[in-house]
Amino acid sequence: GAGVSQSPSNKVTEKGKDVELRCDPISGHTALYWYRQSLGQGLEFLIYFQGNSAPDKSGLPSDRFSAERTGGSVSTLTIQRTQQEDSAVYLCASSLWLTSGEQFFGPGTRLTVL
Amino acid sequence: EDQVTQSPEALRLQEGESSSLNCSYTVSGLRGLFWYRQDPGKGPEFLFTLYSAGEEKEKERLKATLTKKESFLHITAPKPEDSATYLCAVQASQAGTALIFGKGTTLSVSS
Repeated sequence: GAGVSQSPSNKVTEKGKDVELRCDPISGHTALYWYRQSLGQGLEFLIYFQGNSAPDKSGLPSDRFSAERTGGSVSTLTIQRTQQEDSAVYLCASSLWLTSGEQFFGPGTRLTVL
Repeated sequence: EDQVTQSPEALRLQEGESSSLNCSYTVSGLRGLFWYRQDPGKGPEFLFTLYSAGEEKEKERLKATLTKKESFLHITAPKPEDSATYLCAVQASQAGTALIFGKGTTLSVSS
């Protein structure tokens, strides 16, 4: 079956522009997660969704970051007024239920802010 | 503060040369410890879940073990296709669902 898909695979943008990253989770997975992976750093947890709800947004690096999930499926991560330090690989994962550590990751979106 | 430290950062092995990767953790109540494999340009791929000290899981040439403070990923007679970055993550009881990842160990196996 289809795994987690993310688009675009690569995004190059200029500083100050807004970007939208998309994630399509595995069908039937109720939980969805966003992570950020910077060069030489571990995966940094950003936000999770249970259904369409994101109870805890404290992992988002700044108020320029926002995320939503609609229909219990597709999620978008939006970064406004991008900065060079936002350059990273943004990974999305999904799991059957919220507390499962067995998360299925997408291939990621590589964001480069010039 | 919940923390995961992996060592070594990088490991080079000859094909067939067994070794172990270490993951030490400090967490306020361990809900689970997870091992993932990540190939270049791809997202992490789930390998194992360990829940309690003394637990062991095996898959092909890999065996994961857990104590109260650390986990080991033992690689027996590795092959070049085992080359990847191995990530350890913990889920803490107090941290909701977030996985806290270490920085990983990059394994290179040469033939």
